Amino acid sequence: EDKVVQSPLSLVVHEGDTVTLNCSYEVTNFRSLLWYKQEKKAPTFLFMLTSSGIEKKSGRLSSILDKKELFSILNITATQTGDSAVYLCAVSEGAAGNKLTFGGGTRVLVKP
Amino acid sequence: DAGVIQSPRHEVTEMGQEVTLRCKPISGHNSLFWYRQTMMRGLELLIYFNNNVPIDDSGMPEDRFSAKMPNASFSTLKIQPSEPRDSAVYFCASSGQGSGYGYTFGSGTRLTVV
Repeated sequence: EDKVVQSPLSLVVHEGDTVTLNCSYEVTNFRSLLWYKQEKKAPTFLFMLTSSGIEKKSGRLSSILDKKELFSILNITATQTGDSAVYLCAVSEGAAGNKLTFGGGTRVLVKP
Repeated sequence: DAGVIQSPRHEVTEMGQEVTLRCKPISGHNSLFWYRQTMMRGLELLIYFNNNVPIDDSGMPEDRFSAKMPNASFSTLKIQPSEPRDSAVYFCASSGQGSGYGYTFGSGTRLTVV
């Protein structure tokens, strides 16, 4: 069965710390890996990764994919309280690449 | 762009009642997805449509659940009869052909069945 596993389940850090979130996957027809941030409402898109070894950056967030080892990491540097959220990893699979399978998420709490 | 629009935002209903959730995808998006989110099971794909045609409904929990997409701008998810274990947040999402931004989610419908 296809699966996406995220770790840690949750973590608490202080403002200014760096956090690293992990996502490993096993899917039969991988197309891409996506990261989302979910605060109180709907998940919002962060990154889409399709190629190994190419880092994507957006401000203090960055992510990289390793298709050989089947995992991705999401880094947040100089964390702020506004980074507190659940971070979701999802894998797109299948011929059409439409179907997303989500991991269980990592809950991040950034304390002042 | 108004984004993906879901209604209602909240629904509280009694066990056994019919519940209908509605979704308007982003104009021009050709794929629509219904997800359910609970603390225990996270985000689960229920069903998705490409060009208004249901492609994969393997996530629909049982016959009490049904989904339709009569046209490109509207979809419904119906639960009949509803049960307390159906209580969850139901998200609709849409995506376009070749979109580099994954899905766009609606704000969700929080369903409580008492």
